Amino acid sequence: AQTVTQSQPEMSVQEAETVTLSCTYDTSESDYYLFWYKQPPSRQMILVIRQEAYKQQNATENRFSVNFQKAAKSFSLKISDSQLGDAAMYFCAYRSNSGTYKYIFGTGTRLKVLA
Amino acid sequence: DAGITQSPRHKVTETGTPVTLRCHQTENHRYMYWYRQDPGHGLRLIHYSYGVKDTDKGEVSDGYSVSRSKTEDFLLTLESATSSQTSVYFCAISEPLWTGDSYGYTFGSGTRLTVV
Repeated sequence: AQTVTQSQPEMSVQEAETVTLSCTYDTSESDYYLFWYKQPPSRQMILVIRQEAYKQQNATENRFSVNFQKAAKSFSLKISDSQLGDAAMYFCAYRSNSGTYKYIFGTGTRLKVLA
Repeated sequence: DAGITQSPRHKVTETGTPVTLRCHQTENHRYMYWYRQDPGHGLRLIHYSYGVKDTDKGEVSDGYSVSRSKTEDFLLTLESATSSQTSVYFCAISEPLWTGDSYGYTFGSGTRLTVV
């Protein structure tokens, strides 16, 4: 069975600085997707970035980028130029590209942004 | 505008009473999922559906049942609510293949259920 681990329950970053959130996963599959979701206090789940396992190039979305290390089964999220609006819970998620396509989530990292 | 709605948004119920949460989608997606979110546990899958009347259990299905009689509706029922079922419940929809900008799950806005 696949597992997703986020070992940092809480992180803090100074506004305008850079922060990296860690995620590791375990799977025996070769075809899968990885995601980072943001959950602000509104409770809405917002897709931040996704990575296809077959792609070697790390995904980027504006200030958000990932460091995808497939052999190490590591998928960290880097947030550059942190803004107050980045404060939220961040969830790492795994999705197989076969079967029932259900997602497996990590336990989340709460990010605080300090002014 | 996301095409998925959950109702109710908040509910307080008493221990031992039955509770039904509703998830409604207008996207015609085949797959629907119910998760619960608890501090320290992230989101855990309760049940999911891969078509009308086709459902299966997730990792935390005890005490819950589901039904899907139409593509657009996926109901989650707590037969006899307990305090351990106090949680935030999320519905999500998905298609197996990426179509256009359909990346990842689309989530509902969640239901906060409190069992007293």
